[in-house]
Parts: sequence; C-alpha cells; structure tokens
Amino acid sequence: NAGVTQTPKFQVLKTGQSMTLQCAQDMNHEYMSWYRQDPGMGLRLIHYSVGAGITDQGEVPNGYNVSRSTTEDFPLRLLSAAPSQTSVYFCASSSWTGALYGYTFGSGTRLTVV
Amino acid sequence: DAKTTQPPSMDCAEGRAANLPCNHSTISGNEYVYWYRQIHSQGPQYIIHGLKNNETNEMASLIITEDRKSSTLILPHATLRDTAVYYCIVNAGANSKLTFGKGITLSVRP
Repeated sequence: NAGVTQTPKFQVLKTGQSMTLQCAQDMNHEYMSWYRQDPGMGLRLIHYSVGAGITDQGEVPNGYNVSRSTTEDFPLRLLSAAPSQTSVYFCASSSWTGALYGYTFGSGTRLTVV
Repeated sequence: DAKTTQPPSMDCAEGRAANLPCNHSTISGNEYVYWYRQIHSQGPQYIIHGLKNNETNEMASLIITEDRKSSTLILPHATLRDTAVYYCIVNAGANSKLTFGKGITLSVRP
C-alpha cells in the first residue's frame, strides 16, 4: 500500500517556466489537498478537493491551478514559476468522513525557482 | 476554525514523559483537537485527535480539559526519534481543511 505518492522529489525551475507536481493516492480517499511550507513556517493550504470534479481554493492559491479528474490523482500546476514559489510542497489525502481519521501526507516535492 | 496557541519549543530527557500544551480558547462545540508531528522536513504525520474525552493510542495520549479550552499531548516515554515539530490543530472535520500554525519544537535529549 503506497499511500500518497508525490513526484518529483526535487525540481529546479527557471522563472517563467511551468510545471506540474504530481500527487497520487491508492487509498480511495475522497479528500485531497496541497500545502506549501516555507522555511521555519507551518504549512499553508493552496487548493483542495472533496472529490473528483470538485476543487476549491485554500489560503494561498494565486499562481497555482488544480484539477481532479479521478479519485486517485490531484496534480498541482504552476503556471509561470516565480522565485516566491520556492518551497516544499506537500500533498495530503483523507477519507471524507474522515478528517476524523487523520490525513496521510506525501513525502514532499522540494521546488527551487531561480 | 478556532486558532491554537503553542509555546515555540520545549525539551525533555529521553525516557521521560513529554507533555506538550496547546491553548484553543475559542474552540466551538463541534470542533475536534488534532495533533500532527513533522520530523525533519518529512510530511506531517497524524498522531491523535479528540473531541471531549481523553484519548489514547499506540503513539500518545491526548488530555482535553473539561472546558475544552486547552489540551495536552503526552508522549509517555520520549525517545530521540520523537524530536520533531508538533502541531495542535482545531478543526470541525466537515470541510476537512487543516490550518497549521508554527507548532512546538520538541527536542529530546539523551
């Protein structure tokens, strides 16, 4: 049982480039979310989804897009990378009934924008 | 969701109990108290949660005061591997959004 898988683990982008951070879970969780964590800070919610076809914005959504076409996958797209988006990105999933059962987090993607 | 307040850091000796406090004075009746921890930039790990009653699992115990305005996470026999940032989060569960503060850094010393 893989849990939540994030790829890539590390990425360096040039300013203005676009890319997609992948997140996949094999636990049939309805809820998925993306967080970013800057040095010395807590996690901040970017976008979340309560099920396939449904997404919503979190605390810091600007510069990011998401879609949820399947229950398993929740990719995060950076439209035009900026140095301010240098961060560690975590994906998390939970069962809907279910925040009660705790979130499962991926191991993170470390992104540097130069 | 209600806000939480945690001291920035604490330490304890290996083998002793670590008691991590959290204040959540504005907690609503339908909000749960969750604890997560993050070890050295890994993804956060769920520890325990509770509503009113004290809870215990294989990792820790959660003590919630009767007025629910504060709680304590207890690691009964801390080990060096418990050194981490511990986050106390209050969440209603219905919308499933977690709001992380800065947490408390627990350092377990040999």
